[in-house]
Amino acid sequence: KAGVTQTPRYLIKTRGQQVTLSCSPISGHRSVSWYQQTPGQGLQFLFEYFSETQRNKGNFPGRFSGRQFSNSRSEMNVSTLELGDSALYLCASSLEVAGVHEQFFGPGTRLTVL
Amino acid sequence: QQQVKQSPQSLIVQKGGISIINCAYENTAFDYFPWYQQFPGKGPALLIAIRPDVSEKKEGRFTISFNKSAKQFSLHIMDSQPGDSATYFCAARSQGNLIFGKGTKLSVKP
Repeated sequence: KAGVTQTPRYLIKTRGQQVTLSCSPISGHRSVSWYQQTPGQGLQFLFEYFSETQRNKGNFPGRFSGRQFSNSRSEMNVSTLELGDSALYLCASSLEVAGVHEQFFGPGTRLTVL
Repeated sequence: QQQVKQSPQSLIVQKGGISIINCAYENTAFDYFPWYQQFPGKGPALLIAIRPDVSEKKEGRFTISFNKSAKQFSLHIMDSQPGDSATYFCAARSQGNLIFGKGTKLSVKP
């Protein structure tokens, strides 16, 4: 079974631009979560989608948004990029069946904001 | 409190030794405690996980010890190998999302 895939793997943007990152979950997984990883703050939860609905949201500004499609693929968007948005953005998928909650992570998208 | 506090920040262990990483939490609503291993350039990989109604779980060389009354849990890596050198994260699940510790960089010396 293929793992979680994320595209693109690397991205360089300038301040003020916007960016869209994509995540394809493991086949059959309906929950997709997004995390931001930085050396200073570590891994921080952004949001979770389940069946095309945002189910949970972390403490990030409204510039960070996401969505999930009917095939469970998800995208996250960051508008008006700031230097501090430079980070590794990780997507994780979960089966969410019968108490199974294991989250499996993709390799991440490394975003650099100049 | 949503924090998960992890220690130590870094750890150096000789090959064959035992690596121990500790985590503490405050929120009694956490219901699932996984450990992740991350190599440079890779996403975190699930290593082992435990639920609060179990005090210990062992999978191969990896063991989680869980102390519900003290709100602490730890990862023990027996017979540590150079290939175990990575960053380890503890986490706790709250309302569907994971709260991560800051990570422990483990170096296993040959």
